[in-house]
Amino acid sequence: EAGVTQFPSHSVIEKGQTVTLRCDPISGHDNLYWYRRVMGKEIKFLLHFVKESKQDESGMPNNRFLAERTGGTYSTLKVQPAELEDSGVYFCASSQFVSATGRTEAFFGQGTRLTVV
Amino acid sequence: GENVEQHPSTLSVQEGDSAVIKCTYSDSASNYFPWYKQELGKGPQLIIDIRSNVGEKKDQRIAVTLNKTAKHFSLHITETQPEDSAVYFCAASRRPTSYDKVIFGPGTSLSVIP
Repeated sequence: EAGVTQFPSHSVIEKGQTVTLRCDPISGHDNLYWYRRVMGKEIKFLLHFVKESKQDESGMPNNRFLAERTGGTYSTLKVQPAELEDSGVYFCASSQFVSATGRTEAFFGQGTRLTVV
Repeated sequence: GENVEQHPSTLSVQEGDSAVIKCTYSDSASNYFPWYKQELGKGPQLIIDIRSNVGEKKDQRIAVTLNKTAKHFSLHITETQPEDSAVYFCAASRRPTSYDKVIFGPGTSLSVIP
């Protein structure tokens, strides 16, 4: 079974440009999360989708970041325009509901390393 | 806000020795504490977790302990091997809830020297 996959694995863009990151969760997983690790610090939560709905987007840093999950399958995270402080590793994770209150563990993708120059 | 602290940030041990990583959390409502291992070029992978109704859990060479009163939890790796070298993240969250945002610690880079 394929795990969580992210594209691209690396991206180098200039300040002011736009970048779109993609995440394909494990098939059938309704929960999809985006996280970011900046400069060796902690992995910070960005947002959580349940199917196509944004359940929690409290971690999104500002309105330059836009996440979508049309159809409830793959998700994209767009940064427009990119700033230097957006550099870091962006992780996607997915999990599935197994009961009314239970979930599988969150499985992480390998991450996209974004460098803004 | 909610945060998780983790120490040390880097740790080097000789193969066969034990490694201990310690974390503290601030959100008293946290009840689920996963530990993730991230190897080079890969995403974080869950290696063990503990829930708030348990004080200790062991899985082969790794064990976790939890002190809810002090809001401390620790990861213990015994008989370390070179393949244990990785970045380890502790984390805390509230489960089950309507969402399960996970708060991560800053990570510990563990090097096991052959």
